[in-house]
Amino acid sequence: AQSVTQLGSHVSVSEGALVLLRCNYSSSVPPYLFWYVQYPNQGLQLLLKYTTGATLVKGINGFEAEFKKSETSFHLTKPSAHMSDAAEYFCAVSDIVGGYNKLIFGAGTRLAVHP
Amino acid sequence: SQTIHQWPATLVQPVGSPLSLECTVEGTSNPNLYWYRQAAGRGLQLLFYSVGIGQISSEVPQNLSASRPQDRQFILSSKKLLLSDSGFYLCAWTLRDVANYGYTFGSGTRLTVV
Repeated sequence: AQSVTQLGSHVSVSEGALVLLRCNYSSSVPPYLFWYVQYPNQGLQLLLKYTTGATLVKGINGFEAEFKKSETSFHLTKPSAHMSDAAEYFCAVSDIVGGYNKLIFGAGTRLAVHP
Repeated sequence: SQTIHQWPATLVQPVGSPLSLECTVEGTSNPNLYWYRQAAGRGLQLLFYSVGIGQISSEVPQNLSASRPQDRQFILSSKKLLLSDSGFYLCAWTLRDVANYGYTFGSGTRLTVV
């Protein structure tokens, strides 16, 4: 079965600094990969997804992620952090188990942005 | 366009009481439906998924059950709540064409069992 590892449960950056949230997956075939953001007491909002094609994926709010098959990674980046980026971020992989699609999540990374 | 509704948003229930959380999807047919739970300080755990009316698969043994009485309705239930059932419950949907539709989540229900 697929698994997703997010390195760092908490990441803290200064406003204006680079944001880098790490995600590695386990898969023998290229999966569908997703990044979601969750603000307190809210549902999950899709930031971006990789399915096929271009390995650099651009999402909402200035985020982007690069699919690297050789490294089985899908790290999320943003050149300049804003205070409003403070939230929890989840990396996920869509797996097919028993013929059915399932979304498997990493443990999440809480991003703090300080002035 | 498709939308997903979850209710209630917040619920406080005593131990041993029953539970019913409802999720409905609009604007699509025959969606795959999912229930996830997010316990405090933990990630998202898949509880149940359904690919059609009356078809429910459970991921982990627990005190909860799920039902799908209609194509776009997914219900999470318990006969007697435990303290450990507290958490944030999220419903989600997708179609077979996951690449194009992705997974869309509801706004969640915060359940506190006291």
